[in-house]
Amino acid sequence: DQQVKQNSPSLSVQEGRISILNCDYTNSMFDYFLWYKKYPAEGPTFLISISSIKDKNEDGRFTVFLNKSAKHLSLHIVPSQPGDSAVYFCAASATGANSKLTFGKGITLSVRP
Amino acid sequence: KAGVTQTPRYLIKTRGQQVTLSCSPISGHRSVSWYQQTPGQGLQFLFEYFSETQRNKGNFPGRFSGRQFSNSRSEMNVSTLELGDSALYLCASNREQGVTGELFFGEGSRLTVL
Repeated sequence: DQQVKQNSPSLSVQEGRISILNCDYTNSMFDYFLWYKKYPAEGPTFLISISSIKDKNEDGRFTVFLNKSAKHLSLHIVPSQPGDSAVYFCAASATGANSKLTFGKGITLSVRP
Repeated sequence: KAGVTQTPRYLIKTRGQQVTLSCSPISGHRSVSWYQQTPGQGLQFLFEYFSETQRNKGNFPGRFSGRQFSNSRSEMNVSTLELGDSALYLCASNREQGVTGELFFGEGSRLTVL
């Protein structure tokens, strides 16, 4: 049972435009959400996170929006740059000492020059 | 500050063999988690070790095991390898047990089972 879903496997965007990456979750216990970026042959690197007490978090070109009622979050990248081309993973966890990250399957973002 | 180090980076084994992968966390981090990444399944949680004890375990068969040493370094072992075990195995470290912020990942160990 996939508790974190990234339903679009890929996204292609023109350089300078906005990239919107979506993520849905089913477990209502999740209260902390993260986005990771992964280049080939490298480990995932942390991008941005948001806790359930917020509905928006911004860091430079990256903004994450959380809609708890819809169990949906999205990552906005503005403006998109060719170096943003990578696989993006959405991850979620529930508070607790035994918490772990549950990942989606990832979205491959391609930013065209 | 040095990041998470995983060895070996690449290895090839045959079915039925066993393999041991190593992970050195960031200095001062006491939690080590292991994840398996395959093209069709994304990243799946294997287990977490904290203070030399397994604290959490994912839905993997008993062929997958691990341990953590007093210096927080961790190893994972897969016995009786199957073709489906071919994957990128990622280690992540954290200062405390569980998810208390971002996890820091290593570059992974790419296992190919023939």
